[in-house]
Amino acid sequence: EAGVTQFPSHSVIEKGQTVTLRCDPISGHDNLYWYRRVMGKEIKFLLHFVKESKQDESGMPNNRFLAERTGGTYSTLKVQPAELEDSGVYFCASSRTGYNQPQHFGDGTRLSIL
Amino acid sequence: GDSVTQMEGPVTLSEEAFLTINCTYTATGYPSLFWYVQYPGEGLQLLLKATKADDKGSNKGFEATYRKETTSFHLEKGSVQVSDSAVYFCALSDLEDSSYKLIFGSGTRLLVRP
Repeated sequence: EAGVTQFPSHSVIEKGQTVTLRCDPISGHDNLYWYRRVMGKEIKFLLHFVKESKQDESGMPNNRFLAERTGGTYSTLKVQPAELEDSGVYFCASSRTGYNQPQHFGDGTRLSIL
Repeated sequence: GDSVTQMEGPVTLSEEAFLTINCTYTATGYPSLFWYVQYPGEGLQLLLKATKADDKGSNKGFEATYRKETTSFHLEKGSVQVSDSAVYFCALSDLEDSSYKLIFGSGTRLLVRP
């Protein structure tokens, strides 16, 4: 099966601009997660979708971040306007529903804000 | 809240040396524990996991034992190879959290020299 796909792999934008990250989960995986790693620190949870619904968005840092998963397939994470502290690697993961189902990660999007 | 602490890197070893990467956790519930690995230029891959006390996860020669009494999940390998050079992340998922989100440590970079 195809793995989790993230696009773009790297994005460089200026402060104040808008960037949209995309994640295509593994087919059949209802759960989709966004995480990010900033400046070599720990990977932090952002939010969790079950199909098209937001199950948990407790990790979203502020209202400049908007995540969507229309139709319960791929997801987008928009940052508007981007700030310097948003630089980092954004990971997407997907999993099947059920106890202890493993999360499968994409290669991440490296976001650089200048 | 739940948290994971792992030893800071980088850890530099010669090929065939013994590896230990320490990981301890704090959790309000009864977590499952994981080690993820990120090879250069790639995404996160699940290396091994343990879901209850005294369980031992193992994969590719790596092992970790879930120690509830010491709240630890140290990663070990008897003889490392150059190809093991990567960043290793310890993580937990609290089963009392309905989103099953992962909480990661800050990562430990391992460099194995020939």
